[in-house]
Amino acid sequence: QPVVTQEPSLTVSPGGTVTLTCGSSTGAVTSGHYPYWFQQKPGQAPRGLIYDTYNKHSWTPARFSGSLLGGKAALTLSGAQPEDEADYYCFLNYDSIRPFGGGTKLTVL
Amino acid sequence: EVQLVESGGGLVQPGGSLRLSCAVSGFTSSDRYMDWVRQAPGKGLEWVGRTRNKAAGYITEYAASVRGRFTISRDDSKNSLYLQMSSLKTDDTAVYYCSSLRAPYDAWGQGTLVTVSS
Repeated sequence: QPVVTQEPSLTVSPGGTVTLTCGSSTGAVTSGHYPYWFQQKPGQAPRGLIYDTYNKHSWTPARFSGSLLGGKAALTLSGAQPEDEADYYCFLNYDSIRPFGGGTKLTVL
Repeated sequence: EVQLVESGGGLVQPGGSLRLSCAVSGFTSSDRYMDWVRQAPGKGLEWVGRTRNKAAGYITEYAASVRGRFTISRDDSKNSLYLQMSSLKTDDTAVYYCSSLRAPYDAWGQGTLVTVSS
């Protein structure tokens, strides 16, 4: 049973840049895992930001970008805004198993 | 407008059963892969399972934690999705979301709370 790992928490200054990562217990994350990134704010359902490594939904702010970095999937936020404070989850695909990572609590401070 | 509306949550005793429903509007559910995702109180997201679309034969897949206890089904005539849960455990307590996650789609319901407690 693969385990997907994320940083439990990160802090970024307003206007700053931060990178969240998503690793796999089975080895390097590749485009074949079709990495997804979701944002969840308190009391709300999650919402997709990135799919298939780097593709954005129509509502995804331009300051968010997805990539593969050092064997992990990565979500980079450039120019953080106060409204970006939220929990972020990655999601990977392994044949018939699709686990979420444990989530990263991002604080903008 | 795309809408997913879950219903059927509530309080159930350990060992009991419950059936969640998800009413879909704004798209034809049989055209899409559909997922159930849950979130225990104060915890992260957990993928529960998926049903592929009609073209892929409605194949279902489940997380190890629920395989053999939960069953996903559809009723195309009602544009609806279901999650039949049995042999429920206290660890199954969570908000259950109906969702359409497979790229390029992203749609989520508001969630329905299932509490497993004696």
